[in-house]
Amino acid sequence: DQQVKQNSPSLSVQEGRISILNCDYTNSMFDYFLWYKKYPAEGPTFLISISSIKDKNEDGRFTVFLNKSAKHLSLHIVPSQPGDSAVYFCAASEGAGGTSYGKLTFGQGTILTVHP
Amino acid sequence: EAQVTQNPRYLITVTGKKLTVTCSQNMNHEYMSWYRQDPGLGLRQIYYSMNVEVTDKGDVPEGYKVSRKEKRNFPLILESPSPNQTSLYFCASSLPRPGAIYSPLHFGNGTRLTVT
Repeated sequence: DQQVKQNSPSLSVQEGRISILNCDYTNSMFDYFLWYKKYPAEGPTFLISISSIKDKNEDGRFTVFLNKSAKHLSLHIVPSQPGDSAVYFCAASEGAGGTSYGKLTFGQGTILTVHP
Repeated sequence: EAQVTQNPRYLITVTGKKLTVTCSQNMNHEYMSWYRQDPGLGLRQIYYSMNVEVTDKGDVPEGYKVSRKEKRNFPLILESPSPNQTSLYFCASSLPRPGAIYSPLHFGNGTRLTVT
């Protein structure tokens, strides 16, 4: 049972345009959401996160939006750059009151390619 | 340099031959975790540890063992490896809560395991 889903295996955008990566979740106990970026032959690196008490968090070119009612989050990259080409994973965790506190559940990943 | 170190980076073994993948972190992190990455499935959590001598199962613990005798080390043990454990493995660590904004997961660079 995949509790965090990234339904788009890949996304291709032109340099300078916006990249929008999407993520859906099913577990209503999730209260913290993160995005990680992964280059080949490296481990994932943390990109940006958002708490369930917020609906938006910005960090430079990266913005994460959370729609709790739809159980959906998205990562916007503006403007996209060729160096952003990587695999992007969304992840979610439960709060201290949840039965799975300590677990971090990842989606399948989306391969982003930014063309010059 | 703050880092998570996994060894070996590449390992080819045969079915049934016990192996250990080591993981060490130098950031004094309490939380450590093991993930496996498979095509189309993303990162799936195998085991995690909230602190020394405290371990718990993730989503795919079957066929794996872990131990946390000291804070910095969290080895992954495959007592009797099978071909379906062929995968890319990542160790990660963080401060107590992996989803909190002050404690993103730090990942190692991965161990590519092939079981024939």
